[in-house]
Amino acid sequence: EAGVAQSPRYKIIEKRQSVAFWCNPISGHATLYWYQQILGQGPKLLIQFQNNGVVDDSQLPKDRFSAERLKGVDSTLKIQPAKLEDSAVYLCASSLRGGQGEQFFGPGTRLTVL
Amino acid sequence: AQSVTQLDSQVPVFEEAPVELRCNYSSSVSVYLFWYVQYPNQGLQLLLKYLSGSTLVKGINGFEAEFNKSQTSFHLRKPSVHISDTAEYFCAVSDRTDDMRFGAGTRLTVKP
Repeated sequence: EAGVAQSPRYKIIEKRQSVAFWCNPISGHATLYWYQQILGQGPKLLIQFQNNGVVDDSQLPKDRFSAERLKGVDSTLKIQPAKLEDSAVYLCASSLRGGQGEQFFGPGTRLTVL
Repeated sequence: AQSVTQLDSQVPVFEEAPVELRCNYSSSVSVYLFWYVQYPNQGLQLLLKYLSGSTLVKGINGFEAEFNKSQTSFHLRKPSVHISDTAEYFCAVSDRTDDMRFGAGTRLTVKP
């Protein structure tokens, strides 16, 4: 089966610009996650969707970050405006269901904010 | 809320030597435990997981881990490593509410 797809793989922007990332989960996976992985750290959950509803966005900086999952399939994560500290790898993952279900990760988008 | 501590940020070993990557967790409830591996410029791949039952869990690529409830540990082991095992390894804990927390990672470097 096809894995989790993400694009773009790399993005370089200047601070205060906007950027968007796209994720296509594994077909049939109801749960979708966005993680932020800063260099030298483990992934930190930003937001979790169950179908097209938000389950957990407690760690999402809502003043600048937004995410949506229209129709319960693809998802986009947006940063507007970007700050230097947003430089990180943004990982998308999906699972059949939450809880003990294995999460399958995409290759990530490496964002550099100058 | 649960948390994970990976005790070693870097572990260098020689090829064919045994290795142990240490992981301790804290949680007030029953947990699920995971080890993921991340190769350069790739996403995370599940190595193994503990959900319940036997405390010794076997995973892919010859890795295994032992859940120790009294010591709140979930150390990852491999009896003989290969160059190809060079990667970043992440321990993660999830409670039954599906809130997964990752450790900071351990970089395993296998030298010839």
